[in-house]
Amino acid sequence: AQKVTQAQTEISVVEKEDVTLDCVYETRDTTYYLFWYKQPPSGELVFLIRRNSFDEQNEISGRYSWNFQKSTSSFNFTITASQVVDSAVYFCALSEDNTNAGKSTFGDGTTLTVKP
Amino acid sequence: ETGVTQTPRHLVMGMTNKKSLKCEQHLGHNAMYWYKQSAKKPLELMFVYNFKEQTENNSVPSRFSPECPNSSHLFLHLHTLQPEDSALYLCASSQDLLGLETQYFGPGTRLLVL
Repeated sequence: AQKVTQAQTEISVVEKEDVTLDCVYETRDTTYYLFWYKQPPSGELVFLIRRNSFDEQNEISGRYSWNFQKSTSSFNFTITASQVVDSAVYFCALSEDNTNAGKSTFGDGTTLTVKP
Repeated sequence: ETGVTQTPRHLVMGMTNKKSLKCEQHLGHNAMYWYKQSAKKPLELMFVYNFKEQTENNSVPSRFSPECPNSSHLFLHLHTLQPEDSALYLCASSQDLLGLETQYFGPGTRLLVL
């Protein structure tokens, strides 16, 4: 069985602060895929990143960075110099079979509020 | 119009009503999905259609009835719902069934069942 835990329900920061969103996962598979999605107030889920289990390289994309650590089963997401437009709900997800949408599990989400 | 659109954006219905949610994608995709997003619960996949054929029904109660008349349109027919069915219903589409990251999501229909 797979499980995704986002322990932080809500986070509030002031603009320009750095913020890290935590994601801890459980899976028995050795091959799996991890994702982060952003859900702005408009509602649609926006894909941010996919990471394969066999690639532990951290990734940076502009102000976004992701820290994947298999030893702690974590896939944390950091926003550097946060902006008001970063305010959204962020979801972490795990897929053991990326050819089958039904095999994906989402976390409960973390609501990030960035205040000016 | 581009992307994935959903109508209505908001819906309030009584438990005895019958209503339908509509999803339309303008991306030329072959697969379409219904998800349910309840407050304080993870996103749940409900149904998957590929080339108009249902390929996944994630143990969804029969009061939710999907319909996919063609690859561009997906409906979710609702009848005799319960208050716990109140949620955001998201539609998504993808070119094929490969990769969660290939799914494009619509803005959702926020449903309130009284």
